Amino acid sequence: EAAVTQSPRNKVTVTGGNVTLSCRQTNSHNYMYWYRQDTGHGLRLIHYSYGAGNLQIGDVPDGYKATRTTQEDFFLLLELASPSQTSLYFCASSDAEGTEVFFGKGTRLTVV
Amino acid sequence: GEQVEQRPPHLSVREGDSAVITCTYTDPNSYYFFWYKQEPGASLQLLMKVFSSTEINEGQGFTVLLNKKDKRLSLNLTAAHPGDSAAYFCAVRTGNTGKLIFGLGTTLQVQP
Repeated sequence: EAAVTQSPRNKVTVTGGNVTLSCRQTNSHNYMYWYRQDTGHGLRLIHYSYGAGNLQIGDVPDGYKATRTTQEDFFLLLELASPSQTSLYFCASSDAEGTEVFFGKGTRLTVV
Repeated sequence: GEQVEQRPPHLSVREGDSAVITCTYTDPNSYYFFWYKQEPGASLQLLMKVFSSTEINEGQGFTVLLNKKDKRLSLNLTAAHPGDSAAYFCAVRTGNTGKLIFGLGTTLQVQP
């Protein structure tokens, strides 16, 4: 069964803190994506990748780094978290052609 | 880059009425299109995917129309019921970059 697993599901950190959000897919997909979802803004693309070692800049990349260590694993890094990064984060994976896309259950991050 | 505009942002209908949500996109290289449903506190559930042609796809209680000439994608819930109350998002996959871009979403409320 296709799966995208995000961890943690909830995270609270302080301003200036260092946070890593993890995503693992078992779909043998090439593409992986990180989005943030905020009321009034829908899902906005932060970073994405088409394979291990690759990173592509999304539409709202400022303040975020990402790393794709293997085909399965894609990490989102917030090295100096700010309250403006409080959001619901979704990871997704997709095959190379884009015919199927699967989403994780989301990580709710609060920066206080 | 690709721009996806989704209308309306909010929609309220009575049970049994139809509800139409429309997305327009800008990139002529876009070739896969998706509609997702998101219930409160949940992840995104795929309703339908359509490919790059003028196409009508029918699902359970809804119809999706893609008009490539007008760069327009629509979701028509034919006889809405309270269980359809949720947020709906269109998403567009671009060919050149592999990006998956979302509309801002439509919050649908179906009154009994």
